[in-house]
Amino acid sequence: QSVLTQPPSVSGAPGQRVTISCTGDSSNIGAGYDVYWYQHLPGTAPKLLIYLNTNRPSGVPDRFSGSKSGTSASLAITGLQAEDEADYYCQSYDTSLSAVVFGGGTKLTVL
Amino acid sequence: QVQLVESGGGVVQPGRSLRLSCAPSGFTVRGLGFHWVRQAPGKGLEWVAVIWYDGSERHYADSVKGRFTISRDDSKNTLYLLMTSLRVEDTAVYYCARDAGRWPGAYFDRWGRGATVTVSS
Repeated sequence: QSVLTQPPSVSGAPGQRVTISCTGDSSNIGAGYDVYWYQHLPGTAPKLLIYLNTNRPSGVPDRFSGSKSGTSASLAITGLQAEDEADYYCQSYDTSLSAVVFGGGTKLTVL
Repeated sequence: QVQLVESGGGVVQPGRSLRLSCAPSGFTVRGLGFHWVRQAPGKGLEWVAVIWYDGSERHYADSVKGRFTISRDDSKNTLYLLMTSLRVEDTAVYYCARDAGRWPGAYFDRWGRGATVTVSS
């Protein structure tokens, strides 16, 4: 059981918009710790998509956006493309565990 | 090209030890913090350990505390993860990742492709 909760899977057709939620509690996201998002294709190095809740590293398309409110965060992907099919993870810090924590991951399927 | 390359993975019996290495290319480890993150088969990412930019502090996940040791040798431009008293549940792909934040606000802007560790009798 992951400290941060994500839906196991989401799907959408090319061109559509999908969102992936990441729910924590008062020990992590709700305590004010920032949220980060990664894209991971099996057998490859994970890639940073969003840092400090809403910021995109250079080279990440603006189709990807992040938000945070209260004890939750979300990743939105607009204009879905086949290449977006991957696993997505949120990450933060948990003060009660004194550890970096990840969500369980969400598999995005582009129909 | 900026990348991290892990090595040292393999098959090991329960109770034995294994040491992973992580060597960056395109940059030096000096002045940077690093982490190890693992992914068990069919599971999500799990943070394992961090070493600060100067080696002054190290932190571990409860699941590996007392068994794993993270270290660095800046003169060799290499990070290490010494894993002792290995358990079947330590079977995973182990990723080395560069810290772009500052503890506890750590996050990872560069990752390796991982080293596979299989603990089996």
